[in-house]
Amino acid sequence: QQQVKQSPQSLIVQKGGISIINCAYENTAFDYFPWYQQFPGKGPALLIAIRPDVSEKKEGRFTISFNKSAKQFSLHIMDSQPGDSATYFCAASLGAGNMLTFGGGTRLMVKP
Amino acid sequence: EAGVTQFPSHSVIEKGQTVTLRCDPISGHDNLYWYRRVMGKEIKFLLHFVKESKQDESGMPNNRFLAERTGGTYSTLKVQPAELEDSGVYFCASSRLGSYNEQFFGPGTRLTVL
Repeated sequence: QQQVKQSPQSLIVQKGGISIINCAYENTAFDYFPWYQQFPGKGPALLIAIRPDVSEKKEGRFTISFNKSAKQFSLHIMDSQPGDSATYFCAASLGAGNMLTFGGGTRLMVKP
Repeated sequence: EAGVTQFPSHSVIEKGQTVTLRCDPISGHDNLYWYRRVMGKEIKFLLHFVKESKQDESGMPNNRFLAERTGGTYSTLKVQPAELEDSGVYFCASSRLGSYNEQFFGPGTRLTVL
Protein backbone atom coordinates (compact mmCIF):
# COMPACT_ATOMS: atom_id res chain seq x y z
CA GLN A 1 0.00 0.00 0.00
CA GLN A 2 1.46 3.30 -1.09
CA GLN A 3 1.37 5.65 1.86
CA VAL A 4 1.98 8.82 -0.15
CA LYS A 5 0.15 9.25 -3.45
CA GLN A 6 1.28 11.93 -5.88
CA SER A 7 -0.43 13.40 -8.91
CA PRO A 8 -0.15 14.09 -11.75
CA GLN A 9 2.58 11.77 -13.04
CA SER A 10 3.52 14.32 -15.66
CA LEU A 11 2.75 17.97 -16.21
CA ILE A 12 3.35 20.41 -19.04
CA VAL A 13 3.12 24.11 -18.27
CA GLN A 14 3.83 27.19 -20.33
CA LYS A 15 6.55 29.56 -19.21
CA GLY A 16 5.11 32.00 -16.72
CA GLY A 17 2.30 29.68 -15.72
CA ILE A 18 1.57 28.02 -12.38
CA SER A 19 2.58 24.41 -11.82
CA ILE A 20 0.59 22.51 -9.20
CA ILE A 21 1.49 19.08 -7.88
CA ASN A 22 -0.63 17.30 -5.29
CA CYS A 23 0.08 14.67 -2.69
CA ALA A 24 -2.11 12.75 -0.27
CA TYR A 25 -0.91 10.71 2.66
CA GLU A 26 -2.34 7.95 4.81
CA ASN A 27 -0.45 8.02 8.07
CA THR A 28 -1.70 10.81 10.34
CA ALA A 29 1.44 10.47 12.44
CA PHE A 30 3.63 11.90 9.66
CA ASP A 31 5.01 15.20 10.90
CA TYR A 32 7.44 16.40 8.23
CA PHE A 33 6.60 16.94 4.57
CA PRO A 34 9.45 17.85 2.20
CA TRP A 35 9.45 18.34 -1.54
CA TYR A 36 12.47 17.24 -3.54
CA GLN A 37 13.53 18.34 -7.02
CA GLN A 38 15.57 16.03 -9.22
CA PHE A 39 17.35 16.85 -12.46
CA PRO A 40 18.51 14.09 -14.83
CA GLY A 41 21.68 12.38 -13.62
CA LYS A 42 21.48 14.02 -10.22
CA GLY A 43 20.10 12.95 -6.88
CA PRO A 44 16.97 14.51 -5.38
CA ALA A 45 17.61 17.86 -3.70
CA LEU A 46 15.44 19.41 -1.00
CA LEU A 47 13.33 22.23 -2.40
CA ILE A 48 11.06 23.21 0.47
CA ALA A 49 9.55 21.48 3.51
CA ILE A 50 6.68 22.02 5.93
CA ARG A 51 5.59 20.82 9.35
CA PRO A 52 1.87 20.20 10.06
CA ASP A 53 1.56 23.12 12.46
CA VAL A 54 1.36 25.58 9.55
CA SER A 55 -0.96 25.61 6.55
CA GLU A 56 1.35 27.30 4.07
CA LYS A 57 5.03 27.97 3.51
CA LYS A 58 6.49 30.11 0.77
CA GLU A 59 10.05 30.34 -0.46
CA GLY A 60 10.48 32.51 -3.51
CA ARG A 61 8.36 31.11 -6.33
CA PHE A 62 7.69 27.85 -4.45
CA THR A 63 4.78 27.43 -2.03
CA ILE A 64 3.60 24.41 -0.05
CA SER A 65 -0.06 24.34 0.93
CA PHE A 66 -0.93 21.88 3.68
CA ASN A 67 -4.40 20.61 4.62
CA LYS A 68 -4.13 18.46 7.73
CA SER A 69 -7.80 17.48 7.91
CA ALA A 70 -7.79 16.30 4.30
CA LYS A 71 -4.34 14.71 4.66
CA GLN A 72 -3.17 16.51 1.55
CA PHE A 73 -0.39 18.87 0.61
CA SER A 74 0.59 20.50 -2.61
CA LEU A 75 3.44 22.31 -4.30
CA HIS A 76 2.76 25.45 -6.30
CA ILE A 77 5.43 26.85 -8.60
CA MET A 78 4.59 30.38 -9.60
CA ASP A 79 5.93 31.98 -12.79
CA SER A 80 7.23 28.58 -13.93
CA GLN A 81 10.48 28.71 -15.90
CA PRO A 82 12.09 26.23 -18.33
CA GLY A 83 14.82 25.72 -15.73
CA ASP A 84 12.15 24.31 -13.40
CA SER A 85 11.75 21.32 -15.73
CA ALA A 86 12.62 18.36 -13.51
CA THR A 87 11.05 15.53 -11.56
CA TYR A 88 9.43 16.53 -8.30
CA PHE A 89 8.87 14.19 -5.38
CA CYS A 90 6.76 14.79 -2.32
CA ALA A 91 7.68 12.89 0.80
CA ALA A 92 6.70 12.43 4.41
CA SER A 93 8.43 11.22 7.51
CA LEU A 94 7.60 10.25 11.03
CA GLY A 95 9.78 11.91 13.58
CA ALA A 96 13.21 13.41 13.51
CA GLY A 97 15.86 11.77 11.39
CA ASN A 98 13.67 8.94 10.20
CA MET A 99 13.16 7.49 6.75
CA LEU A 100 11.35 9.41 4.04
CA THR A 101 8.28 7.90 2.38
CA PHE A 102 8.08 9.23 -1.15
CA GLY A 103 5.30 9.83 -3.64
CA GLY A 104 5.67 8.45 -7.13
CA GLY A 105 7.11 11.61 -8.66
CA THR A 106 5.90 14.18 -11.20
CA ARG A 107 7.81 14.99 -14.37
CA LEU A 108 7.36 18.69 -15.01
CA MET A 109 8.12 20.24 -18.36
CA VAL A 110 7.93 24.01 -18.69
CA LYS A 111 7.66 25.08 -22.32
CA PRO A 112 9.38 28.32 -23.37
CA GLU B 1 31.80 21.02 1.40
CA ALA B 2 31.74 17.89 -0.75
CA GLY B 3 28.35 16.30 -1.29
CA VAL B 4 27.32 12.69 -0.97
CA THR B 5 29.24 10.56 -3.45
CA GLN B 6 28.33 7.17 -4.81
CA PHE B 7 30.32 4.61 -6.75
CA PRO B 8 29.90 3.31 -9.36
CA SER B 9 27.53 5.56 -11.25
CA HIS B 10 26.41 2.64 -13.42
CA SER B 11 26.73 -1.11 -13.10
CA VAL B 12 25.59 -3.79 -15.51
CA ILE B 13 25.81 -7.38 -14.27
CA GLU B 14 24.43 -10.78 -15.08
CA LYS B 15 21.79 -12.44 -12.96
CA GLY B 16 23.47 -14.40 -10.19
CA GLN B 17 26.52 -12.16 -9.97
CA THR B 18 27.49 -10.00 -7.01
CA VAL B 19 27.63 -6.23 -6.97
CA THR B 20 28.80 -3.86 -4.26
CA LEU B 21 27.69 -0.24 -4.19
CA ARG B 22 29.53 2.35 -2.16
CA CYS B 23 28.37 5.57 -0.55
CA ASP B 24 30.50 8.28 1.02
CA PRO B 25 28.31 10.61 3.08
CA ILE B 26 28.98 14.24 3.84
CA SER B 27 31.63 14.55 6.52
CA GLY B 28 30.07 14.85 9.96
CA HIS B 29 26.76 13.31 8.95
CA ASP B 30 25.98 10.47 11.32
CA ASN B 31 22.73 9.49 9.61
CA LEU B 32 23.11 7.48 6.41
CA TYR B 33 20.20 6.14 4.40
CA TRP B 34 19.86 3.85 1.40
CA TYR B 35 16.90 4.17 -0.97
CA ARG B 36 16.00 2.55 -4.28
CA ARG B 37 13.88 3.63 -7.24
CA VAL B 38 12.69 0.89 -9.53
CA MET B 39 11.49 1.63 -13.08
CA GLY B 40 9.83 5.02 -12.61
CA LYS B 41 8.09 4.08 -9.40
CA GLU B 42 8.45 5.81 -6.06
CA ILE B 43 11.75 6.04 -4.25
CA LYS B 44 11.65 3.40 -1.53
CA PHE B 45 13.55 3.29 1.73
CA LEU B 46 15.93 0.39 2.29
CA LEU B 47 17.75 1.09 5.54
CA HIS B 48 19.11 3.69 7.93
CA PHE B 49 22.42 3.80 9.79
CA VAL B 50 23.21 5.99 12.75
CA LYS B 51 26.97 6.03 12.80
CA GLU B 52 27.95 2.36 12.38
CA SER B 53 24.70 0.91 13.78
CA LYS B 54 21.67 -0.14 11.77
CA GLN B 55 18.80 1.97 13.09
CA ASP B 56 16.12 0.65 10.74
CA GLU B 57 16.46 -2.02 8.08
CA SER B 58 12.75 -2.60 7.56
CA GLY B 59 12.96 -1.75 3.86
CA MET B 60 15.57 -4.34 2.92
CA PRO B 61 13.83 -6.63 0.41
CA ASN B 62 15.47 -9.92 1.40
CA ASN B 63 18.65 -11.50 2.68
CA ARG B 64 20.39 -11.11 -0.67
CA PHE B 65 21.04 -7.52 0.37
CA LEU B 66 23.76 -6.75 2.92
CA ALA B 67 24.62 -3.25 4.08
CA GLU B 68 27.57 -2.23 6.17
CA ARG B 69 28.96 1.01 7.46
CA THR B 70 32.57 0.66 8.45
CA GLY B 71 33.58 2.85 11.37
CA GLY B 72 30.58 5.05 10.87
CA THR B 73 32.01 6.58 7.71
CA TYR B 74 31.35 5.18 4.23
CA SER B 75 28.75 2.50 3.59
CA THR B 76 28.50 -0.41 1.20
CA LEU B 77 25.44 -2.22 -0.10
CA LYS B 78 26.10 -5.69 -1.49
CA VAL B 79 23.63 -7.63 -3.58
CA GLN B 80 24.43 -11.33 -3.77
CA PRO B 81 23.24 -13.03 -5.90
CA ALA B 82 21.61 -10.34 -8.02
CA GLU B 83 18.19 -10.96 -9.56
CA LEU B 84 16.45 -9.18 -12.45
CA GLU B 85 14.09 -7.35 -10.09
CA ASP B 86 17.04 -5.72 -8.32
CA SER B 87 17.52 -3.39 -11.30
CA GLY B 88 16.96 0.24 -10.46
CA VAL B 89 18.66 3.35 -9.15
CA TYR B 90 20.11 3.10 -5.67
CA PHE B 91 20.39 6.37 -3.79
CA CYS B 92 22.33 7.11 -0.66
CA ALA B 93 21.50 10.07 1.55
CA SER B 94 23.04 11.51 4.68
CA SER B 95 22.06 14.01 7.35
CA ARG B 96 23.21 15.38 10.65
CA LEU B 97 21.79 14.00 13.86
CA GLY B 98 18.96 16.08 15.26
CA SER B 99 15.46 17.17 14.42
CA TYR B 100 14.27 17.24 10.85
CA ASN B 101 17.64 17.85 9.33
CA GLU B 102 17.74 17.82 5.57
CA GLN B 103 18.69 14.57 3.92
CA PHE B 104 21.29 15.20 1.21
CA PHE B 105 21.17 12.70 -1.63
CA GLY B 106 23.94 11.34 -3.78
CA PRO B 107 23.60 11.07 -7.57
CA GLY B 108 22.68 7.40 -7.35
CA THR B 109 24.00 4.16 -8.82
CA ARG B 110 22.05 2.79 -11.75
CA LEU B 111 22.10 -1.02 -11.48
CA THR B 112 21.04 -3.15 -14.42
CA VAL B 113 20.76 -6.90 -13.92
CA LEU B 114 20.56 -8.86 -17.20
